[in-house]
Amino acid sequence: AQKVTQAQTEISVVEKEDVTLDCVYETRDTTYYLFWYKQPPSGELVFLIRRNSFDEQNEISGRYSWNFQKSTSSFNFTITASQVVDSAVYFCALSEALITGGGNKLTFGTGTQLKVEL
Amino acid sequence: DSGVTQTPKHLITATGQRVTLRCSPRSGDLSVYWYQQSLDQGLQFLIQYYNGEERAKGNILERFSAQQFPDLHSELNLSSLELGDSALYFCASSVAQTGNTDTQYFGPGTRLTVL
Repeated sequence: AQKVTQAQTEISVVEKEDVTLDCVYETRDTTYYLFWYKQPPSGELVFLIRRNSFDEQNEISGRYSWNFQKSTSSFNFTITASQVVDSAVYFCALSEALITGGGNKLTFGTGTQLKVEL
Repeated sequence: DSGVTQTPKHLITATGQRVTLRCSPRSGDLSVYWYQQSLDQGLQFLIQYYNGEERAKGNILERFSAQQFPDLHSELNLSSLELGDSALYFCASSVAQTGNTDTQYFGPGTRLTVL
């Protein structure tokens, strides 16, 4: 069975600090997909990034960057120069590529609450 | 704005009652997913429909049912409600069907409170 672990329940930083959110996953499949979603205080779930298991290239998008390492089953997320607007709960999620019959579901971690203070 | 709409935004009802949550997917998306977010269980997958047919089932209670209509909107029916059913219910949609995994875009959610 697939599993996603976000060991950090809550992180508090001061604005402009860099912060890394950890995500460790378990799956038996060789083909899978990893995601990060953001849930701001307003409650909606906002998609941030998707990465497939064949692509271990790290990615940078503005102040966001992602470090995918298959060897350690980790998909960590770093925010550089954090801002108050980054305050939210961040979820890591895993989806297996089901080839026959079934559909496609996301397994979420428990989330990391990030608080960025002035 | 993800393009996925959910109504109502809030719902307050009593134990034993039945409610219907509605979801309209993004234009062009054929798959609809339902998730429940509660304090004790976190975000849990309930069920997926693709083009009107059930595709995958998660930890969905027998008291809950869903369907996807020909216009692709979906409804989640919750009956014999219990206090523990109070949660935020999300709908998501994607283009994907069997064998493909693409991004699921989430609606704003329906917050259900059972008193």
